[in-house]
Amino acid sequence: GQQVMQIPQYQHVQEGEDFTTYCNSSTTLSNIQWYKQRPGGHPVFLIQLVKSGEVKKQKRLTFQFGEAKKNSSLHITATQTTDVGTYFCAGPFDPNAGGTSYGKLTFGQGTILTVHP
Amino acid sequence: SAVISQKPSRDICQRGTSLTIQCQVDSQVTMMFWYRQQPGQSLTLIATANQGSEATYESGFVIDKFPISRPNLTFSTLTVSNMSPEDSSIYLCSLRTEVFGKLFFGSGTQLSVL
Repeated sequence: GQQVMQIPQYQHVQEGEDFTTYCNSSTTLSNIQWYKQRPGGHPVFLIQLVKSGEVKKQKRLTFQFGEAKKNSSLHITATQTTDVGTYFCAGPFDPNAGGTSYGKLTFGQGTILTVHP
Repeated sequence: SAVISQKPSRDICQRGTSLTIQCQVDSQVTMMFWYRQQPGQSLTLIATANQGSEATYESGFVIDKFPISRPNLTFSTLTVSNMSPEDSSIYLCSLRTEVFGKLFFGSGTQLSVL
């Protein structure tokens, strides 16, 4: 079946270190979205990438969408304690590339980030 | 962005009972969804709530267990029926304003079944 895999499952870093989470889809995605869920909170949209090879930055966060539109990464430079939470990638499978879940977002398993001060 | 009010925020229920979760949006939206997030897990789509017609359920979810209503474009309910401890999860309503757009989530309902 169509799946979105995300690694690592957990990441513990010291404050100031960098962090990267990777997302891989079994099928071409129409776009890739990233969400952050703080402990006890609900997922909050961070960004959406649409174009093949696209790179976007939000302050210390850098998002990339692969050339084949099947993988993505989120990189945080110099983590802070406010970065703590679970980061999810999600994507709607491209119906033109065989995706059968038209428009529906499939979430990766998430990466739980803890930052030690 | 839309404002979503979801209630209750949490509940503790007895096995065999049912709980109805409500989701109110401050504007009319076409696409509303219900997700489940089991402890420490990712989000799994339960169903798409269709206005004026039966919800569209994902594989593994059935209407008898998770009946959904959507009487208008601003309101939806999800009922978790005949609950068992395995139903203990966070349930989230969400909406989208574009077919391939971002999701907005309600604050979630944390359900514990004893």
